[in-house]
Amino acid sequence: QVQLVESGGGVIQPGRSLRLSCAASGFTFSSHVMQWVRQAPGKGLEWVTVISSDGSKKEYVDSVKGRFTISRDNSKNTVYLQMNSLRAEDTAVYYCARVDILIGFTDYWGQGTQVTVSP
Amino acid sequence: DIQMTQSPSTLSASVGDRVTITCRASQSISHWLAWYQHKAGKAPTLLVYEASYLEGGVPSRFSGSGSGTEFTLTITSLQPDDFATYYCQHYNRHSWTFGQGTKVEIK
Repeated sequence: QVQLVESGGGVIQPGRSLRLSCAASGFTFSSHVMQWVRQAPGKGLEWVTVISSDGSKKEYVDSVKGRFTISRDNSKNTVYLQMNSLRAEDTAVYYCARVDILIGFTDYWGQGTQVTVSP
Repeated sequence: DIQMTQSPSTLSASVGDRVTITCRASQSISHWLAWYQHKAGKAPTLLVYEASYLEGGVPSRFSGSGSGTEFTLTITSLQPDDFATYYCQHYNRHSWTFGQGTKVEIK
């Protein structure tokens, strides 16, 4: 069965960096577009970034452009989110998610990892 | 950018009730809409894609309809396990936009 397991979250000071990882299993990882979605405290879901199956194309929400970088290692079935210059407003649960091959909706999600940006 | 607006934000209902959640797009999105259920501390789960196709394993009491700019998620007979927050999502392979969510609470 499809499994997505995030790691790397924690408490971090503003301006610092953090790297999240998402280990995938149960499907052909290299065939799927992958994305990160976050949920700030008391807020709804917000799409953050997406990476193509071969890693050549990436898109970001405006609020993280220039600070966050998505990448993937298809040999390790892992997708990463490098977060630099973190701000208090980046505090959220970050979910790794898989995109359906044919149509493009998000079909599977991980359990999420908490990132708290606080002095 | 396309905006997705859900209504209501909160809905109080009883077990057995018929529940309808609406999602409106700021411009036509054809049928490129999905619905998710999210419970606190858990991974969101896909309910409906392409506006009206039920994901495998999702109970038949859930259904989706609509196209263009107006969409609905209906739960025909609310069950205890259905109390959660529901999100619509527009997808277009370059960005994914969520509605603000509808929390279904016990009345």
